[in-house]
Amino acid sequence: NAGVTQTPKFRILKIGQSMTLQCAQDMNHNYMYWYRQDPGMGLKLIYYSVGAGITDKGEVPNGYNVSRSTTEDFPLRLELAAPSQTSVYFCASSLRGRRTDTQYFGPGTRLTVL
Amino acid sequence: AQSVTQLGSHVSVSEGALVLLRCNYSSSVPPYLFWYVQYPNQGLQLLLKYTSAATLVKGINGFEAEFKKSETSFHLTKPSAHMSDAAEYFCAVSMEYGNKLVFGAGTILRVKS
Repeated sequence: NAGVTQTPKFRILKIGQSMTLQCAQDMNHNYMYWYRQDPGMGLKLIYYSVGAGITDKGEVPNGYNVSRSTTEDFPLRLELAAPSQTSVYFCASSLRGRRTDTQYFGPGTRLTVL
Repeated sequence: AQSVTQLGSHVSVSEGALVLLRCNYSSSVPPYLFWYVQYPNQGLQLLLKYTSAATLVKGINGFEAEFKKSETSFHLTKPSAHMSDAAEYFCAVSMEYGNKLVFGAGTILRVKS
């Protein structure tokens, strides 16, 4: 199993550009999540999905969009990139939505917006 | 609402010394708590989790944590630090609904030789 994979590893965007961060998991997990990590701030939840076709907002959804057409994939879309979106983005997945379930994280995408 | 406070953004210990990383939580429901470790330029890896089965939880790499309800704490310890323990450690609490996590700000552990 590859677990949770993310592409690209690094990306530099200009202000106003858009891009899609890719996330895939091969563990047949139902729940998937997108977090952003900023220095000294921990991780903040952007969006999450409880299954194919079902997504919901997390704590910091503004400026982002998601879709979940398959169980495996959960892409994160940035429209009109802004410097405030410079961050490290992590995708995670868990088998179910129980509060005790472990979330498994991908290696992250480091995004810089200039 | 749930929240997590990690005391000390940086902790430095000598190799072989006790590691103590502090985590206090606030939760309106019985808490489920997690410790994750992040090595440089990597994703997060689960160290251990508290799911109410036992108050002393043992994890990977010799780490353990004790849940203390009266102190609303879930501190992470390791008796003897190794150089390989240098990383950033995150405490997290599971939100009231669903499997969404609220993370603390993180503690960077430095191990001196």
